[in-house]
Order: sequence, then structure tokens, then C-alpha cells
Amino acid sequence: EADIYQTPRYLVIGTGKKITLECSQTMGHDKMYWYQQDPGMELHLIHYSYGVNSTEKGDLSSESTVSRIRTEHFPLTLESARPSHTSQYLCASSDLAGGNYNEQFFGPGTRLTVL
Amino acid sequence: KNQVEQSPQSLIILEGKNCTLQCNYTVSPFSNLRWYKQDTGRGPVSLTIMTFSENTKSNGRYTATLDADTKQSSLHITASQLSDSASYICVVSEGTGGFKTIFGAGTRLFVKA
Repeated sequence: EADIYQTPRYLVIGTGKKITLECSQTMGHDKMYWYQQDPGMELHLIHYSYGVNSTEKGDLSSESTVSRIRTEHFPLTLESARPSHTSQYLCASSDLAGGNYNEQFFGPGTRLTVL
Repeated sequence: KNQVEQSPQSLIILEGKNCTLQCNYTVSPFSNLRWYKQDTGRGPVSLTIMTFSENTKSNGRYTATLDADTKQSSLHITASQLSDSASYICVVSEGTGGFKTIFGAGTRLFVKA
């Protein structure tokens, strides 16, 4: 069982609200990721980080933003949620040093529904 | 362009039967290939990993093979159980310093009683 946690697990909110999805890991991993996944579809990388104060955009454009102030914490924020943001958001982490061949450990995900 | 393609897109089998899932990739340079299992509503969990020099790896009833020459991998599930119902995702990592990973779209497996 991976030591990576996401909260909330489920979130239903109205359009225009600001939300923050939390992700924390206790494995001391430097690299962290956020993926967006629609039901039955593939994962799309939207943000990643190499370490503290490092954030990069992923392959899929996203209106969300991320921050990395502490190694173990990588929150994702949507300033104004819209129905098009409805999806599952998965957080992951890996050892930047290449240990275990860069295996990514995933959290349980946050299922976001914007009405 | 680096790509990972999986087939079939979905598969229905009866409990107790075997099945094989396919993964073709065009990632270069190649570092490693990993199969993940993703239960509905959960995050993916790693099943096996193979590097360039490995051509088979087992994890219980799951056996993965790799042909680095043809850039093909397969995941064989033996004596399927209802709990095997999930998406199986093939993930290939580039052999570059950034360790970029490319995810396949997955195969959705349904095991019926």
C-alpha cells in the first residue's frame, strides 16, 4: 500500500467556486505528479514537480495551478470551477534518484463533479 | 512521436479462464516497461516492471513478457478471478535523464462468474 493520500475523495461543487485538492506523501519522494482521468479513459499528465519550488505543466493543458512549498505536499487549485473540470484527479509520486526505475505510486484519486 | 498502444480496448472473459493483453510501443530510447492495474475509482498499482534485458516477469497469476526488438509486451492472466476485473495500463519510460513516462489508454477487463 503506497503512502500517498488525497483529500477529499469525492467533491461536488457549484460553478465558479474555488477548490483545492490535497495530495500528501510520506515516502520522501522528490517528484510528484497530477493526472486527470475521465471515466474509462487514459491518464493525462497536467502538472508535475521535481521538488520544492519546482512546478511544470504537463502534456494536457489545464486551468488548474499547483504549488510545492514542502516536499511531501503538492496541492492543486482551481480558481473558478466549471462543469468541464468534472473528472477524476490522481496524484502520484516517484523517487527522482531513479530508484525502482522511477515507479510512480498513486493516490486513491479525487472524483470532482462541478454542477 | 513516442506512443504506447494497447489492445484490445476491452475484454470480457469467464471466471477461471486465461487471457492475454497486448502492448506495442514506439518509445525511444527505452528504459523500462511497467504494467499497472487500476480498479474502478482507484489509483493504478504496479504489477510488473521489465528493463531492456528482461523478457519475462511474473507476479502471482500475472506474467508479463517483453520483446525489445519488436517493441511489444504482453500481460498474461492465468485462472482469472472476479477481482481481476479492472483496467490494465501499459506504461513505458524513456531512457533519458527526465525519465519521462508514456501511458497507454489501458485495456478494460471484465471477469464474469
